[in-house]
Amino acid sequence: DTAVSQTPKYLVTQMGNDKSIKCEQNLGHDTMYWYKQDSKKFLKIMFSYNNKELIINETVPNRFSPKSPDKAHLNLHINSLELGDSAVYFCASSQGVWDNGELFFGEGSRLTVL
Amino acid sequence: AQSVTQLDSQVPVFEEAPVELRCNYSSSVSVYLFWYVQYPNQGLQLLLKYLSGSTLVESINGFEAEFNKSQTSFHLRKPSVHISDTAEYFCAVSDRGNRDDKIIFGKGTRLHILP
Repeated sequence: DTAVSQTPKYLVTQMGNDKSIKCEQNLGHDTMYWYKQDSKKFLKIMFSYNNKELIINETVPNRFSPKSPDKAHLNLHINSLELGDSAVYFCASSQGVWDNGELFFGEGSRLTVL
Repeated sequence: AQSVTQLDSQVPVFEEAPVELRCNYSSSVSVYLFWYVQYPNQGLQLLLKYLSGSTLVESINGFEAEFNKSQTSFHLRKPSVHISDTAEYFCAVSDRGNRDDKIIFGKGTRLHILP
């Protein structure tokens, strides 16, 4: 049973398209995150949600819009894709905000923009 | 503002040799510190963490890290590495206690085990 699952795992698309990545966690956590990992493995937080409420929005272009229909799901929609959006996007979850400091990560979604 | 510096982007080491992966942080307040490991084509997994109490923390697979407040360091060590330890290791820091605190990751250190 996958604790944090993301779909799709791979996404190849053209510049200018709109795409979504879905994330679901079955751990009963109430906080979820999106991180972006670039080609140099640098990992940067994009958003966090706690009980469907946006907590962190880290100067991400407004082409990126997270949506949390319930506390077990956090989806990422990207409009007008650009070459620089190519990266691996990781979803993560935690119990509380920083109850014990542990993030549980999904396996990542590799986005390639051509 | 918080920041994390991992001084080595790659560390090659022979199997069964000891290893130290260095991590320094900066923060204006008390912190939580973490090491995460990323195996090839996988997400990150927590290896160990320092929240409070003993400054020496250990993982179940033989790694340990020591919180050194005066040197603002949290270096990761293992006395004898195995091929299976080949991975990317990320040090991370978080300020304590606020709802919008975030975990900031270092740029990672690739541990390459030589046979």
